[in-house]
Amino acid sequence: EAGVTQSPTHLIKTRGQQATLRCSPISGHTSVYWYQQALGLGLQFLLWYDEGEERNRGNFPPRFSGRQFPNYSSELNVNALELEDSALYLCASSPDGSSYEQYFGPGTRLTVT
Amino acid sequence: QQQVKQSPQSLIVQKGGIPIINCAYENTAFDYFPWYQQFPGKGPALLIAIRPDVSEKKEGRFTISFNKSAKQFSLHIMDSQPGDSATYFCAASRNLIKAAGNKLTFGGGTRVLVKP
Repeated sequence: EAGVTQSPTHLIKTRGQQATLRCSPISGHTSVYWYQQALGLGLQFLLWYDEGEERNRGNFPPRFSGRQFPNYSSELNVNALELEDSALYLCASSPDGSSYEQYFGPGTRLTVT
Repeated sequence: QQQVKQSPQSLIVQKGGIPIINCAYENTAFDYFPWYQQFPGKGPALLIAIRPDVSEKKEGRFTISFNKSAKQFSLHIMDSQPGDSATYFCAASRNLIKAAGNKLTFGGGTRVLVKP
């Protein structure tokens, strides 16, 4: 069974640009979570999508947004990039909104110069 | 507000030793406590998890001890091997069906090095 996949692996952008990150959950999973892993700050919850709806968001500004498609894949958009947005962005999927277990993808390394 | 505090930040043990990582939480509504293992360049992998109704859980060489009254839980790696060298994260969450709040709150991570 294929795990969570994310693309691209690496992304380099300049300050002020927009970045789009993609995630495909494990087959059959309907929930997708996004986390930011910045150096020295651990993993911080960003967004949670379940069955196409945004269910919860963490303490991040509105320029962090996303969506979930009918096939449950998800996209994270970061607008007006700032240097401190440089981080590893991790996507995790869960069987449904009531499940505890979350399975992570390999992440997308975003570098803002 | 950091709701899950993890210690130590790093740990070095000899092969066969028992690294112990501790976590403390504040929110008594948490009801699920997983541990994740992360190798460089990889995403975190779910290792083992515990619910508050048990005090200990073992899976292979990994053991979680849970102290509900103290709001603390810990990971023990028995007979540690060099291949166990990784960063370990504790986390906590509460399960609310279809409600906002179903997210993992992570500790800061512990880098474990097992020397041959």
